[in-house]
Amino acid sequence: DVVMTQTPPSLSVAIGQSVSISCKSSQSLVYSDGKTYLHWLLQSSGRSPKRLIYQVSNLDSGVPDRFSGTGSQKDFTLKISRVEAKDLGVYYCAQTTHFPWTFGGGTKLELK
Amino acid sequence: EVQLQESGPGLVKPSQSLSLTCSVTGYSITSNYWGWIRKFPGNKMEWMGYISYSGSTSYNPSLKSRISITRDTSKNQFFLQLNSVTTEDTATYYCADLPFFDYWGQGVMVTVSS
Repeated sequence: DVVMTQTPPSLSVAIGQSVSISCKSSQSLVYSDGKTYLHWLLQSSGRSPKRLIYQVSNLDSGVPDRFSGTGSQKDFTLKISRVEAKDLGVYYCAQTTHFPWTFGGGTKLELK
Repeated sequence: EVQLQESGPGLVKPSQSLSLTCSVTGYSITSNYWGWIRKFPGNKMEWMGYISYSGSTSYNPSLKSRISITRDTSKNQFFLQLNSVTTEDTATYYCADLPFFDYWGQGVMVTVSS
């Protein structure tokens, strides 16, 4: 299975601060079609997970451009600029390139 | 608007079967892929399997032969059955459209306990 190593496991931030979350995979996530199926999800407290970014860097509709996703092959980063209170929760990276599809261990973003 | 809703018992006894239903509105399950994901106490998430638009299935090998995903296209529902459950199957179970996680159900917490 592809192991997704997400760091840090938790982040304490002040409102307005910028943060980055790392996600490293044990294999390249480039699929045979040339695309990279690495996605970022946010699970806010008491809610279902919600996708923020798909295929490394594509923001979902309604997701503010304070969020950005970068990376390639085995190394990916989610950056959040100017953190707001509504950004708090657990962030996950997930890959759907290789079976079985796997998730990172999560990064809990909380207020300092 | 696409909506998914899980339903099923919140308590299952060890060695019995866990059965959940996902009802989909706003999108036909004869298009796309539909699957189950679970979140264990703590943060660990696991993809369990999916059923495709054609009815074919794919499962996480970690679940070996315990899992079955089926569907009823007339009701636009798909189902999860997990056999021989243990306390390690205690989790919140989500249905979602795959492989891009566009839409999720609200989740159902299932506890395995005698």
